[in-house]
Amino acid sequence: QVQLVESGGGLVKPGGSLRLSCAASGFTFSDYYMTWIRQAPGKGLEWVSYITSGGTIIYYADSVKGRFTISRDNAKNSLYLQMNSLRAEDTAVYYCARSLGPMDVWGKGTTVTVSS
Amino acid sequence: EIVLTQSPGTLSLSPGERATLSCRASQSVTSGFLAWFQQRPGQAPRLLIYGASNRATGIPDRFSGSGSGTDFTLTISRLEPEDFAVYYCQQYGRSPPLTFGGGTKVEIK
Repeated sequence: QVQLVESGGGLVKPGGSLRLSCAASGFTFSDYYMTWIRQAPGKGLEWVSYITSGGTIIYYADSVKGRFTISRDNAKNSLYLQMNSLRAEDTAVYYCARSLGPMDVWGKGTTVTVSS
Repeated sequence: EIVLTQSPGTLSLSPGERATLSCRASQSVTSGFLAWFQQRPGQAPRLLIYGASNRATGIPDRFSGSGSGTDFTLTISRLEPEDFAVYYCQQYGRSPPLTFGGGTKVEIK
């Protein structure tokens, strides 16, 4: 079945780095744009970044620009988010989602906690 | 950046009642590229409606979306127990940022 599974979350100190992964299965990964969305504890949804199917066009939210890098490996059916210079306000559940327009399939999320 | 404002913040209703949720955009949403998501506690969001009025695969017909331009509505005709959740609208029609509304919580009265 169509599935997205995030991994790589954890506890990191301010200023530290983490790399999130999203493994896709059950569909042709290379046909879809992919997106990262996050949700801080008790808060709403915040779009973080997206990457087109071939990886040629990338956008970031202003809140993460210059610190986060999205990438994908279509041969491995995988999406990544390299997060550097992490701040307390980056603490959130991070979801990956596929899209060809609306985000129609989401993973269950991975939790990132930035704290000393 | 398109700002989406959802109202009300919380809707207190009983099972079987009708729920009407609003999403207002600060600028016209391109081609009606407006989606609605449901999020139950501890779960990932689920796509309900796309293109303002099209139900996603497997979504019951008690959910309907309407609107265009800057004003959009999600209606749940008769609330079932599993419908008590938080609902978000999101626009995906313009270049990023792909903004979400702040959410409406539908709670049991």
